[in-house]
Amino acid sequence: EVQLVESGGGLVQPGRSLRLSCTASGFTFGDYAVNWVRQAPGKGLEWVGFIRKKGHGGTTEYAASVQGRFTISREDSKSIAYLQMNSLKTEDTAVYFCTREGYNYGYHFDYWGQGTLVTVSS
Amino acid sequence: DIQMTQSPSSLSASVGDRVTITCRASQSISSYLNWYQQKPGKAPKLLIYAASSLQSGVPSRFSGSGSGTDFTLTISSLQPEDFAAYYCQQSYSNPRAFGQGTKVEIK
Repeated sequence: EVQLVESGGGLVQPGRSLRLSCTASGFTFGDYAVNWVRQAPGKGLEWVGFIRKKGHGGTTEYAASVQGRFTISREDSKSIAYLQMNSLKTEDTAVYFCTREGYNYGYHFDYWGQGTLVTVSS
Repeated sequence: DIQMTQSPSSLSASVGDRVTITCRASQSISSYLNWYQQKPGKAPKLLIYAASSLQSGVPSRFSGSGSGTDFTLTISSLQPEDFAAYYCQQSYSNPRAFGQGTKVEIK
């Protein structure tokens, strides 16, 4: 069974850093790209960024709202992806989801974790 | 960047109704359009990918259509478990934008 489990969320002060983890199981992690998506309280979904699989260069792309502050990385030997969040702002408060990116006539997010809440507040 | 616009933002419907949600892209995205369903407090779930392909395990009352800039999600006969929020998302280019969502509520 495919599973994604996020961890590392919590309360953090503005300007500080936090690292989220996404631990995968039930599939060959290294064969897939991983995306991060967030959802502010009562709001819609916002794509944060993703990391390609190593076979496609392992490179990353980010939303403009987090570019330069957030970094996505992966450790395929442990089946874990990370979201390093620096210089956090109050507007980064959200539930953060990691997703597996499938491909079949286009990319889509076929499995999601349950999400982890990040609250940025003084 | 490609912008995705859904309509309506919310709708009220009854069990058994046919429901249609539309999604418009700010430029052509071919058929690179996905639909997700999200229930309160839960992670989103993939319903439709590549504009019209039904994800495994999703009931056949859900269908998707469209290409280019205009897309629709149709629920042929609304069931109690379908009351949720629905999001479209383009996968044509980065950033992989979502629509703002459509909340389907009970009339």
